[in-house]
Amino acid sequence: EAEVAQSPRYKITEKSQAVAFWCDPISGHATLYWYRQILGQGPELLVQFQDESVVDDSQLPKDRFSAERLKGVDSTLKIQPAELGDSAMYLCASSSDRDRETYEQYFGPGTRLTVT
Amino acid sequence: SQKIEQNSEALNIQEGKTATLTCNYTNYSPAYLQWYRQDPGRGPVFLLLIRENEKEKRKERLKVTFDTTLKQSLFHITASQPADSATYLCALVRGYQKVTFGIGTKLQVIP
Repeated sequence: EAEVAQSPRYKITEKSQAVAFWCDPISGHATLYWYRQILGQGPELLVQFQDESVVDDSQLPKDRFSAERLKGVDSTLKIQPAELGDSAMYLCASSSDRDRETYEQYFGPGTRLTVT
Repeated sequence: SQKIEQNSEALNIQEGKTATLTCNYTNYSPAYLQWYRQDPGRGPVFLLLIRENEKEKRKERLKVTFDTTLKQSLFHITASQPADSATYLCALVRGYQKVTFGIGTKLQVIP
């Protein structure tokens, strides 16, 4: 069964360093999401792509976060510089435009970021 | 402001009983409401979607209701099992696949 891939699974970095996360959505899924989830909270949308275009990045802290999906397939989320408050799980999800029954999002395993 | 509320306290129930989880929202007009399951250290997994014009949706031991007047959805797991122990997230879907998640309710089914 097709899955959303994310790497790395775990990342420890010092504050003020740069960090990047990678996501490969399910083949054919046009919509890609990046979420941040703090322990005990629900996923918070950072950015949503439709193909290579950004649909929603209203909650993305643009002074330090950037995201791209250059060819409309895989995506990279970058933080520079990292701050202690960025410690969280970063989840990537994808969905198909053709799924009008459930609008199901398929999530990857996430990247657990710890900033020291 | 827009808000989604789920029981922030964990819900403990005895095996075999029906678990009922609540999702309330304010200042939203969602087209659909979804429920996801999340196990520790893993991404959420989709369970069910219910549309604004549907009162109830069932899937195996799961039942979801959606009351747009009360702005509330109830999620039921009948004949609960220890394997149902997880965090359950409700999510509101508006516009073009714009999804907003609640904080989730942790369910513990006690053998």
